[in-house]
Parts: sequence; structure tokens; C-alpha cells
Amino acid sequence: DAGVTQSPTHLIKTRGQHVTLRCSPISGHKSVSWYQQVLGQGPQFIFQYYEKEERGRGNFPDRFSARQFPNYSSELNVNALLLGDSALYLCASSFYPDSSYEQYFGPGTRLTVT
Amino acid sequence: AQKVTQAQTEISVVEKEDVTLDCVYETRDTTYYLFWYKQPPSGELVFLIRRNSFDEQNEISGRYSWNFQKSTSSFNFTITASQVVDSAVYFCALSEAKSGNQFYFGTGTSLTVIP
Repeated sequence: DAGVTQSPTHLIKTRGQHVTLRCSPISGHKSVSWYQQVLGQGPQFIFQYYEKEERGRGNFPDRFSARQFPNYSSELNVNALLLGDSALYLCASSFYPDSSYEQYFGPGTRLTVT
Repeated sequence: AQKVTQAQTEISVVEKEDVTLDCVYETRDTTYYLFWYKQPPSGELVFLIRRNSFDEQNEISGRYSWNFQKSTSSFNFTITASQVVDSAVYFCALSEAKSGNQFYFGTGTSLTVIP
């Protein structure tokens, strides 16, 4: 079975631009979460979506937004990119948005802002 | 305040040695879950184990073992007879019942196994 997939793999953007990252969860998983991992740090929670509704939001500015589609795939959007947004963006899926469920992570999208 | 602390930033061991990775967590929730993930150079986080706050039974799975102690808020991970393929960054994570499926990760421990 396919795992969590993310696209693109790598992305280079300029400050002030907009970016959209995409994620497809494991088949049967209905919850998708997004994390930002800065080099040398652990992943930081950005959003969680379940059944197209936002179920949780981390401490990130409003420049970050996301949505989930009827097929449970998800997009993460970041506006007005800053140099500090350079990071590995990880998508994770789980069957249900409950603390007891392990999350399965995709390979990530490496975003570089110049 | 950091909810998950991994004090060991980097560890190097010689192949076949045992190595223990430390994790200390902080929560006021009575129901919570602890996880260990492995992140090889490819970048994808690989799930290793989950423990809930009501189950302090330690577990052994092949060369891996876990020691969960609520009294010290620790959830340590041991690799026995380490191998070069174990080289990776290991993350401890916490999820709290009140926070849904949001994971709090530690800063990770980079393990290098020297042949």
C-alpha cells in the first residue's frame, strides 16, 4: 500500500512569494496534519484537518493556511514568504484525529526561500 | 516550556555496542501517549512505538526496547547490538488527550553507529 505522498519534493521561492504544498494521506486515513521542521530541530505542529474541518492549529502566523478536500488530500499554503520559512514541511496522516493514534509521515517538501 | 526534552544532541557508538536514548516529558494531562520516531537521512519520519500513560509495561522488540517510567516522566529507548543502519535522528513525541492528535516533538538525538 502507498504511504503518505507529498509534492513537490523540493521548492525554491523568493521572499514575498506564495507557495502551495500538497499531501495525499494513506488510503483509509481521514486525518491530515502538517508540521514544519527547521534544520536541526524537531517538527513543529502547524495544522490538523479531519473531514475537511480544521481540528487544531499551532502557533503559526495567519500567512499559513490549509485545507482538506473530500478525498482527504490536503494543501498547505504559505503567503508572503520569509527567509525563516525555509524548512522541511512534513505531512502526516492518521485514521482518526485522536491522541492515541500514531501518525504516519510523508517524505516532506524541502522549501528554500531566498 | 518544552514538553519533550531530549538532552542528548549527538551520540556516537561503535557497531555492536548498546545505546540508550533519553526522553523526558512534561504534561498535566492524565491521559497521554508517547512515541518514538526514527528519521534517516532521507528525511521521512518512521514510526517505531507508541505507549499510553496507563501502560508502564516495558517492551522489547528485537534489538529495540523501551523503558517507560511515569515516576520520572521518562520514556527511554535502547538499541541493543547497534548496527550501521541504525544511524539516524531519533525523535520522542508526546500527544495529550486534550490536544487531539497534535504531537509535541523533542529536538531529536542524532545517533551515529561507527563500523
